[in-house]
Amino acid sequence: SQKIEQNSEALNIQEGKTATLTCNYTNYSPAYLQWYRQDPGRGPVFLLLIRENEKEKRKERLKVTFDTTLKQSLFHITASQPADSATYLCALIRGFKTIFGAGTRLFVKA
Amino acid sequence: GAVVSQHPSRVICKSGTSVKIECRSLDFQATTMFWYRQFPKKSLMLMATSNEGSKATYEQGVEKDKFLINHASLTLSTLTVTSAHPEDSSFYICSARDHLATNEKLFFGSGTQLSVL
Repeated sequence: SQKIEQNSEALNIQEGKTATLTCNYTNYSPAYLQWYRQDPGRGPVFLLLIRENEKEKRKERLKVTFDTTLKQSLFHITASQPADSATYLCALIRGFKTIFGAGTRLFVKA
Repeated sequence: GAVVSQHPSRVICKSGTSVKIECRSLDFQATTMFWYRQFPKKSLMLMATSNEGSKATYEQGVEKDKFLINHASLTLSTLTVTSAHPEDSSFYICSARDHLATNEKLFFGSGTQLSVL
């Protein structure tokens, strides 16, 4: 079955720096990949979708890349702020279902 | 943007009782809703796909008689945890897609923290 791996260790960075989160997947070739943000005790919130024919997608301070050869997506937050502290989830669509990675916890220190 | 409302946000119940969780799409119609379960610091695990007007589709290992799902209208799906036990304690989250939208993003409810004593 397909597997989605995200770094389980928390990422701690200083305010103003760029945060880079990694998502690797196996046993599947998704047509697109999504990133969500989840705050403690809350449901995830959709951030970005990138399709297999897109190398890069940007939205304000967010940038996502998608390398179908490496089976990897990178999620970047530039000029990070303490308010960006949250868990970021990578997700693939398989048929009609959305399958999530375990997420990476990001802490941005002021 | 589309809003999914989930209630209750938190429930504490005694072992053996049943708990119903509601999930409503407030400003769009959802022919399909999804129910997830999440343990602390773990991934969202898809439990079942709720289809309006038909039976839900359960993931492997999820007991359909334990987790009853009803999707009676285009805006409401309910999950009932029957005869709850402490091991059912978890964070349950519903989600939906706008069936008129062309993208595949999910809108999530705020989740329900279930604690079974």
